[in-house]
Amino acid sequence: AQSVTQPDIHITVSEGASLELRCNYSYGATPYLFWYVQSPGQGLQLLLKYFSGDTLVQGIKGFEAEFKRSQSSFNLRKPSVHWSDAAEYFCAVGAGTYKYIFGTGTRLKVLA
Amino acid sequence: GAGVSQSPSNKVTEKGKDVELRCDPISGHTALYWYRQRLGQGLEFLIYFQGNSAPDKSGLPSDRFSAERTGESVSTLTIQRTQQEDSAVYLCASSVDWVSYNEQFFGPGTRLTVL
Repeated sequence: AQSVTQPDIHITVSEGASLELRCNYSYGATPYLFWYVQSPGQGLQLLLKYFSGDTLVQGIKGFEAEFKRSQSSFNLRKPSVHWSDAAEYFCAVGAGTYKYIFGTGTRLKVLA
Repeated sequence: GAGVSQSPSNKVTEKGKDVELRCDPISGHTALYWYRQRLGQGLEFLIYFQGNSAPDKSGLPSDRFSAERTGESVSTLTIQRTQQEDSAVYLCASSVDWVSYNEQFFGPGTRLTVL
C-alpha cells in the first residue's frame, strides 16, 4: 500500500543551525514527491517537488531535498535555519494524477 | 485576495447538526480539492472537482458528507448529522487544471469542532 512516513513528530533546532527532516515513502512505481510547509493559520505552501531527473531538488526559502531510491527517502534539508522557518512540514507522494498521500507532519521549533 | 479563501475559519457545532463549509478558489482555477486534517494526522483526500463535476468522491468518509461546486468557482462541503469524529480542519485547494500534479494552492482551512 502507498504510504508516507515522517518519523519525527517534533524537531527543535537553534537559529542558524542546519536542518534535516526525514521522509520515507512506500510506492510501487516511480514516485512524484513533494514537501509542503504549513505556517500557523495559513494553508499549505509547496516548497519543492521531485518528478524525475536530478535527485537533488532545490526549492523556495533555501530548502532542498534529495531523492534516494535505494532508501525510499526524500529528506528535506536547509543549511541554516531562520526563526521564520518554524512551521509544520509535510511530505507527500503523488498517488495518481492529482491525489497526494501525506505524511503526518513534522513540527519545527526554532530557538533564538 | 489572490489566494484560496475558506469560511468560516472556525465552526463549533453540536452533535447531530448540519454544517456547510465554503471554499473560494483562485479565479480561473478549474480544479478544486477538499482534504481533511485530523489532529496529529496527515491530510486525507476527500473529493475533487473538474469544473463543476466531481469525478472522484472516493475519499468522502460516509454518505453524511457531500460537496458541490457551481460556476466553476465556489464549492461547499456539507456534513449532515455531524459526529464528534468529524472534528478536524477541512482544507480546500485549487489548481489551474487537473493535469498531472499541477501545483495545488491551499486555503487556510476551516477548523470544525463537534461537541
